[in-house]
Amino acid sequence: DVKVTQSSRYLVKRTGEKVFLECVQDMDHENMFWYRQDPGLGLRLIYFSYDVKMKEKGDIPEGYSVSREKKERFSLILESASTNQTSMYLCASTPSGRGGHEQYFGPGTRLTVT
Amino acid sequence: AQSVTQPDIHITVSEGASLELRCNYSYGATPYLFWYVQSPGQGLQLLLKYFSGDTLVQGIKGFEAEFKRSQSSFNLRKPSVHWSDAAEYFCAVGGGMDTGRRALTFGSGTRLQVQP
Repeated sequence: DVKVTQSSRYLVKRTGEKVFLECVQDMDHENMFWYRQDPGLGLRLIYFSYDVKMKEKGDIPEGYSVSREKKERFSLILESASTNQTSMYLCASTPSGRGGHEQYFGPGTRLTVT
Repeated sequence: AQSVTQPDIHITVSEGASLELRCNYSYGATPYLFWYVQSPGQGLQLLLKYFSGDTLVQGIKGFEAEFKRSQSSFNLRKPSVHWSDAAEYFCAVGGGMDTGRRALTFGSGTRLQVQP
């Protein structure tokens, strides 16, 4: 069974703080993703990574950065948190190769920036 | 660019009634299509997926979806809804291996309420 875990379910941070959201998957997947979910907007892609130390911007990368030092771990960093980054953050992973792109999701981190 | 439209933001059905959730996509080639469900406070769980072959696909929890290329649709159906089906449902489209982009594009979601 694929398992994707996220370091926190709920997080409250102050404006201007540096925030780290951690994601770990245990299925040796090459590809990992960070999405944010907001009511009425669905899921929007922030960043993704297709290999260690490789990253690509998604649709809404502004205000975020990522780190992938190990294959199983993909971190999302908010350099200076702002109130408009209050959201649900979802991490996902998927293998490379043929067989389609089903993504496996973690439980999400609900971040509140005050 | 690929996109997904879920025209119904919120649907309410009675328990035991049939259900159809609509999904329309825009994609330049043969898409990979998915339906995910999200229960309150949870991550997303895959209900079913379409890659190729039979256009009617069966999923978990009694759900099915039909891929209609001519209508660019991938509607989700269930013949008899249970109270536990109350959740938010997301349709998503992804590119093939040739695109190099493995991320999915999601619709805005449909929230399903089930009345007793």
